[in-house]
Amino acid sequence: DGGITQSPKYLFRKEGQNVTLSCEQNLNHDAMYWYRQDPGQGLRLIYYSQIVNDFQKGDIAEGYSVSREKKESFPLTVTSAQKNPTAFYLCASSSEAAQGHGELFFGEGSRLTVL
Amino acid sequence: AQKITQTQPGMFVQEKEAVTLDCTYDTSDPSYGLFWYKQPSSGEMIFLIYQGSYDQQNATEGRYSLNFQKARKSANLVISASQLGDSAMYFCAMREVNTNAGKSTFGDGTTLTVKP
Repeated sequence: DGGITQSPKYLFRKEGQNVTLSCEQNLNHDAMYWYRQDPGQGLRLIYYSQIVNDFQKGDIAEGYSVSREKKESFPLTVTSAQKNPTAFYLCASSSEAAQGHGELFFGEGSRLTVL
Repeated sequence: AQKITQTQPGMFVQEKEAVTLDCTYDTSDPSYGLFWYKQPSSGEMIFLIYQGSYDQQNATEGRYSLNFQKARKSANLVISASQLGDSAMYFCAMREVNTNAGKSTFGDGTTLTVKP
């Protein structure tokens, strides 16, 4: 079945540590996105990539980094510079063939807690 | 200015009744898409319905319909015959084709509770 796989589902991190969240898709989508969601709030865009080897900052990129070496993969690193990283992280993809009118397909999310 | 505004933080509805979740948007791009997503307590985001800016008719998907009023920049979600499983958070989102590189912008969401 086609879809997006995020791992790990739950992650605990000590302050000062970098952590990497994995996101893999087999939908052959060009565009991939990382969103952050805080409790009871909407989604805020961290980074997005519309093509391999290229990515752009979203609204809240500080303290995060990404790579897009393969079409299928878009990992997110939460660095120690991110002051408040405890949140729910959602990875999504979309088909650019729909030229902006296609819906987002989401993974199940990764919940990061800083101890 | 907020691009997507959902003014109802929480809504209650009796099982089997209809409910309308409000969404207004702001854009100067003539080409855009409007979307509704459902987020159950498990956290996954589920796509419900889509309306294109050039679509003449309101979109419908089963029990979901989108009341699109372009001049008012309004895209309300109507859920008919509510079920207990409809209890979730609902997000309105917009993708602007020309002015925002097709990125999605989300509202703050509405938490819907269906009462038995």
